[in-house]
Amino acid sequence: AQRVTQPEKLLSVFKGAPVELKCNYSYSGSPELFWYVQYSRQRLQLLLRHISRESIKGFTADLNKGETSFHLKKPFAQEEDSAMYYCALENYGGSQGNLIFGKGTKLSVKP
Amino acid sequence: EPEVTQTPSHQVTQMGQEVILRCVPISNHLYFYWYRQILGQKVEFLVSFYNNEISEKSEIFDDQFSVERPDGSNFTLKIRSTKLEDSAMYFCASRTGLGYEQYFGPGTRLTVT
Repeated sequence: AQRVTQPEKLLSVFKGAPVELKCNYSYSGSPELFWYVQYSRQRLQLLLRHISRESIKGFTADLNKGETSFHLKKPFAQEEDSAMYYCALENYGGSQGNLIFGKGTKLSVKP
Repeated sequence: EPEVTQTPSHQVTQMGQEVILRCVPISNHLYFYWYRQILGQKVEFLVSFYNNEISEKSEIFDDQFSVERPDGSNFTLKIRSTKLEDSAMYFCASRTGLGYEQYFGPGTRLTVT
């Protein structure tokens, strides 16, 4: 079954420290993976997708098919990075590409 | 920049009542979705809509749920007879095509008492 697992509900770091938000997935085909972010009182928005292989706001994520992981990393956390982060898998088993979300990790960056 | 909008932001209803949640997707988008998030749980897919018909639905989307795009701009989710367990945040999303980013609305918080 398709599944996304984010093992940490809460991750708390100090400003300037490295951050790694973990995401593991289970999918039978070739996965299309995303990280979405939700800042306080704002809507869910796309942070990055693995296929574009770009860095957004200093965040990167590499797809590791061997470990079925798509961890989100940033070398130096900033206070404005505090938010809920959701890893998501696009389900092409269903024809219209609905997203399967993990439970989310709340990142708290302390000054 | 165009955004998906949703109304109302918060809806309180009594068990057994019908509710309609409204969404206005981005105008040139073709694929529409409803998701929900029960407090403390993950965001879950409910239904996708394309070419004026449901293209896929989850197990959650039973006969109590229906969707419509009545006038080419609004996209509505109706719950016929609400239950306590329908209390959740409901998100609408839209996209231009498969493989493109899904844009989410701000959500409607539904509280069933």
